[in-house]
Amino acid sequence: AQSVTQLDSQVPVFEEAPVELRCNYSSSVSVYLFWYVQYPNQGLQLLLKYLSGSTLVKGINGFEAEFNKSQTSFHLRKPSVHISDTAEYFCAVRRAVLGGSQGNLIFGKGTKLSVKP
Amino acid sequence: DAGITQSPRYKITETGRQVTLMCHQTWSHSYMFWYRQDLGHGLRLIYYSAAADITDKGEVPDGYVVSRSKTENFPLTLESATRSQTSVYFCASSAETSGGAGTGELFFGEGSRLTVL
Repeated sequence: AQSVTQLDSQVPVFEEAPVELRCNYSSSVSVYLFWYVQYPNQGLQLLLKYLSGSTLVKGINGFEAEFNKSQTSFHLRKPSVHISDTAEYFCAVRRAVLGGSQGNLIFGKGTKLSVKP
Repeated sequence: DAGITQSPRYKITETGRQVTLMCHQTWSHSYMFWYRQDLGHGLRLIYYSAAADITDKGEVPDGYVVSRSKTENFPLTLESATRSQTSVYFCASSAETSGGAGTGELFFGEGSRLTVL
């Protein structure tokens, strides 16, 4: 089975500062990794995903993440955050090769990013 | 409009009543999912469906019933609501196939906020 740990439940940061949201996963098989963002009172939307290939993945809104297989990590970064980045961010994992009906993602508990002026 | 829609967006009910949350998607995605979101728990999978007439339990299925007679609809029923089922419920869909092709990306509805008094 797969699992995801988001190491910080809340991250406060000042506007224009860099930020890193940490995510570690556990799996005995190859996985796909995702970061989703949830703005207040909305559903989740995909920021970026790692399927294979280059370990540095770029997503929307200037975010990027790096897959590190040896560290089993997939940390999300942004060099300069904006007030509008205030949201909750979820890391998720899914096994890369499915069997039967196993299409579901396993989510971490989320990290609330609060960007202050 | 194309996409995934949930109804109702807000619902207040009483303990013991039956409640059905509706989910409709226009993409003809094969996979559909129901998650609940609670503080401190992130998103937890309730049920999922790989195709019409194929459903399976997720992490927290007790007290819930699903059906999928048509590809585009995936209603979630609480047969006898309890206070512990007060939550925000998210429906999602994925273009994944039963053979495992696809990226596993989920597309979410905007959520249904349920309060059980």
